[in-house]
Amino acid sequence: DAGVIQSPRHEVTEMGQEVTLRCKPISGHDYLFWYRQTMMRGLELLIYFNNNVPIDDSGMPEDRFSAKMPNASFSTLKIQPSEPRDSAVYFCASSLEIQETQYFGPGTRLLVL
Amino acid sequence: DQQVKQNSPSLSVQEGRISILNCDYTNSMFDYFLWYKKYPAEGPTFLISISSIKDKNEDGRFTVFLNKSAKHLSLHIVPSQPGDSAVYFCAASPVGGGADGLTFGKGTHLIIQP
Repeated sequence: DAGVIQSPRHEVTEMGQEVTLRCKPISGHDYLFWYRQTMMRGLELLIYFNNNVPIDDSGMPEDRFSAKMPNASFSTLKIQPSEPRDSAVYFCASSLEIQETQYFGPGTRLLVL
Repeated sequence: DQQVKQNSPSLSVQEGRISILNCDYTNSMFDYFLWYKKYPAEGPTFLISISSIKDKNEDGRFTVFLNKSAKHLSLHIVPSQPGDSAVYFCAASPVGGGADGLTFGKGTHLIIQP
């Protein structure tokens, strides 16, 4: 398996634009997680899905953030409109069970100017 | 309020010596703990884990110790090698996984000096 795949690897955009981050989990994994990493707050869980259903989105910072998982092999994290403080590295991870090891993608480095 | 704390942002250790990375937690519901290793421009990779029913788990050069009464765990790497230079994240999960999945510390940047 290729592991968790994220795209794009880097994104530079202007404030106010819509940003869409994409993730393909490891095949057969029932759980998918979106994290954000910043210097100030470290790794924060934003939202996670179980069998394509969002279970807990309490980590999503604002209504500008939304995540979807239309099928077992694809998820998106959308920011609309984007702001400079959204600049961070966004990781997607997947696991077989909630307490099993999570496998991380390479991350998307987002810079909002 | 941070539930998982790694109080040392960085640690420098000489090659061949022991590296000890520390992690403290405040949530008594945590019962499963993991260490992740992260190289620049890559996602974190799983290193080693420990369940609360144990106080020690060993895997090659890596050993994790858990002190439940102190709500403290540590990762020992011996002997330290240059390839161990990375950021190490401590993570914790509550009983049955809980609603929040993993909670991570902010990480400790380990630098192995030749």
